Amino acid sequence: DGGITQSPKYLFRKEGQNVTLSCEQNLNHDAMYWYRQDPGQGLRLIYYSQIVNDFQKGDIAEGYSVSREKKESFPLTVTSAQKNPTAFYLCASQTGGLNTEAFFGQGTRLTVV
Amino acid sequence: GNSVTQMEGPVTLSEEAFLTINCTYTATGYPSLFWYVQYPGEGLQLLLKATKADDKGSNKGFEATYRKETTSFHLEKGSVQVSDSAVYFCALSDRGTDKLIFGTGTRLQVFP
Repeated sequence: DGGITQSPKYLFRKEGQNVTLSCEQNLNHDAMYWYRQDPGQGLRLIYYSQIVNDFQKGDIAEGYSVSREKKESFPLTVTSAQKNPTAFYLCASQTGGLNTEAFFGQGTRLTVV
Repeated sequence: GNSVTQMEGPVTLSEEAFLTINCTYTATGYPSLFWYVQYPGEGLQLLLKATKADDKGSNKGFEATYRKETTSFHLEKGSVQVSDSAVYFCALSDRGTDKLIFGTGTRLQVFP
């Protein structure tokens, strides 16, 4: 079945560590996105990529980094520079074009311990 | 810039009540409009969409009509069920970048 997979579902990070969240899709979508969701709040865009080997900062990119070396994969690294990383992270993919909806993964809940 | 405004929740209803969740948008041109639903601990799922003025999107008893004159895309359902309890997000597709811009979400709680 086609879909978008995030792993792990739960992740714990110690202060000062970098962690990488995985996002893989087999939908052959060009565009991929990372969002952050805090309790009771909406989605905030961290980074997005519309094509392989290219990506742009979203609204809250500070303290995060991404890569897009393959069409299927868009990993997000939460660096130690991100001061408040505890949140629910959602990855999405989209075929591209104005009328196409995004497909979301199940999310990764990151907690700093 | 483009933006989406949703009514604040939570919206609390009894089973079989009528549901309306308001959504208005600000955009240049004519974006596509979407409603997504998020169940606890999960990602978002597309509920319905409309791509041009006066289009009506519908799915699972939910409906929303793209109103250009009022820049609105209100979500409605005639008779809600306990299983509809979730967070609902209104979104538009930015014409310049194709990326989705989301509202803050509205939590719906349905009690038996």
